Amino acid sequence: AQSVTQLGSHVSVSEGALVLLRCNYSSSVPPYLFWYVQYPNQGLQLLLKYTTGATLVKGINGFEAEFKKSETSFHLTKPSAHMSDAAEYFCAVTPTGRRALTFGSGTRLQVQP
Amino acid sequence: EPEVTQTPSHQVTQMGQEVILRCVPISNHLYFYWYRQILGQKVEFLVSFYNNEISEKSEIFDDQFSVERPDGSNFTLKIRSTKLEDSAMYFCASSDGGLAEYFGPGTRLTVL
Repeated sequence: AQSVTQLGSHVSVSEGALVLLRCNYSSSVPPYLFWYVQYPNQGLQLLLKYTTGATLVKGINGFEAEFKKSETSFHLTKPSAHMSDAAEYFCAVTPTGRRALTFGSGTRLQVQP
Repeated sequence: EPEVTQTPSHQVTQMGQEVILRCVPISNHLYFYWYRQILGQKVEFLVSFYNNEISEKSEIFDDQFSVERPDGSNFTLKIRSTKLEDSAMYFCASSDGGLAEYFGPGTRLTVL
């Protein structure tokens, strides 16, 4: 069975500061990994995904994530936070060859002016 | 940009009643999904649907639940006899066979 752990249910950063949202997974095989963002009263929007190949993945809105197999991690970063980044962020995994996503519990990002 | 749409945005029902949640997936997508999120909890997978049949389902998806693609554009989730614990946000998603699902805005189901 696989699981996803997101460390920190709430993260607060200042505008312009580095954003780091943590995600660790447990899986018997290297999974596919995803980050989704949910703005208030909206659905989940795909930010980025890792399947194979380059372990540093770039996504939309300036976000990127790095797959580190040795650490079973897929942390999401953005060099400089913007007020519009305030949202809830979900890490998700699915085993290779399957499609159903297993989600983490989410991290709510606040951006202070 | 194509998007997944869901109706209604909010559904209120009495316990024991049947509800049908509707979704219009992205038009060229072949895989369809339902997920739910109980308030304050994780997003949970319910079911995936491909080629007019269920391809995978979770333990949550018991006999009270069913899915259907009644025509070429809609994808529905039926809950036969709603319980209080069915209150949640229900998300429809679709994919073209690629490795990410595209989610709709959700239907908030409130069971009284």
